[in-house]
Amino acid sequence: LAKTTQPISMDSYEGQEVNITCSHNNIATNDYITWYQQFPSQGPRFIIQGYKTKVTNEVASLFIPADRKSSTLSLPRVSLSDTAVYYCLVGFSGGYNKLIFGAGTRLAVHP
Amino acid sequence: EPEVTQTPSHQVTQMGQEVILRCVPISNHLYFYWYRQILGQKVEFLVSFYNNEISEKSEIFDDQFSVERPDGSNFTLKIRSTKLEDSAMYFCASSEFITDQPQHFGDGTRLSIL
Repeated sequence: LAKTTQPISMDSYEGQEVNITCSHNNIATNDYITWYQQFPSQGPRFIIQGYKTKVTNEVASLFIPADRKSSTLSLPRVSLSDTAVYYCLVGFSGGYNKLIFGAGTRLAVHP
Repeated sequence: EPEVTQTPSHQVTQMGQEVILRCVPISNHLYFYWYRQILGQKVEFLVSFYNNEISEKSEIFDDQFSVERPDGSNFTLKIRSTKLEDSAMYFCASSEFITDQPQHFGDGTRLSIL
């Protein structure tokens, strides 16, 4: 599975857009890019998944450049409740594939 | 939205005892997983399960651990002869057969070994 690198922590304020970038230089052709969110004492929660270009859902957008060696999770207008750890994972999601979690990015949203 | 449910939410057990952690995956999912997270550390993969067989397991998943799908809805993790270092959050996850579908996690069981 491809190794990912993302910032350890980020700070933001309510109402701002937050962009968290993840690098995955050795991503394989079949790999998907998946982001999870985790609150304290809860299980990781799926946010968004993509393969190339841009994916948007009701909570986030995922931007993937043509070379797919990095990706950016964009959270529009964050609120205090978005304070959490965000994990970028690369691999063949679903099926047999185990998920390898890194340390994630700890996002703190301030009033 | 369907979700993965886990019971109990908190389990306290004496060292050396056996525990069974229970999970009800999303009903149409075919792949099941257990992960654990020691306090303050990363989420770690333990085992994946499909068609009543273990598909893959990590080095953590030794002979002390076993998994079972005893009926059509439950998926269990048994830990025999628990040790202090087994104290952690244990998360169950499930995914559909379709290969590009993500894993969905339950909210975990906090296991405390005394």
